[in-house]
Amino acid sequence: DQQVKQNSPSLSVQEGRISILNCDYTNSMFDYFLWYKKYPAEGPTFLISISSIKDKNEDGRFTVFLNKSAKHLSLHIVPSQPGDSAVYFCAAHTGTYKYIFGTGTRLKVLA
Amino acid sequence: GAGVSQSPSNKVTEKGKDVELRCDPISGHTALYWYRQRLGQGLEFLIYFQGNSAPDKSGLPSDRFSAERTGESVSTLTIQRTQQEDSAVYLCASSAGLIRGKNIQYFGAGTRLSVL
Repeated sequence: DQQVKQNSPSLSVQEGRISILNCDYTNSMFDYFLWYKKYPAEGPTFLISISSIKDKNEDGRFTVFLNKSAKHLSLHIVPSQPGDSAVYFCAAHTGTYKYIFGTGTRLKVLA
Repeated sequence: GAGVSQSPSNKVTEKGKDVELRCDPISGHTALYWYRQRLGQGLEFLIYFQGNSAPDKSGLPSDRFSAERTGESVSTLTIQRTQQEDSAVYLCASSAGLIRGKNIQYFGAGTRLSVL
């Protein structure tokens, strides 16, 4: 049972344009959502998070949107840069320790 | 150290051998996690430590897998009688626990295990 899904395994975007990465979930008990970025041969690094009581959180070029009724969150990167090329994972937890991760989306930003 | 450290970074072993993977968490982090990432797949939760005890071992795939943590610090993940399907990247993460409802985990670079 995949509680957190990232249905797009890959995405290519031109440098300077917007990248939109999507994530769907099934468990309405999730109360925190996080995005991690992973470069090859490195561990995932925390990028941005959002509480379930909010619908938007912004940090520089990165914005996460949460639509609870649709059980959907998205990560917007504006403007996209070649250094943003990585695998992005969304994760969710329920006020406990345990993350449920999506399968990841590989973003390629073309120069 | 400044971050989560895992060793070895790469391990090649023969089927049937035992392997031991090590994780040094961020100093002071009470929570420690092990994950597995198979090729082309997401991160699969294996086990969670709070201090030296493991309240959740539900992700360990079989009794060939075990983990321990000592001194609220270093953890080792042991895989006995390795099988080819154990080939994966094994990631360790640590966290300071829930802070204002949020639990941010910090990951090591992983150990890439190849079972021949």
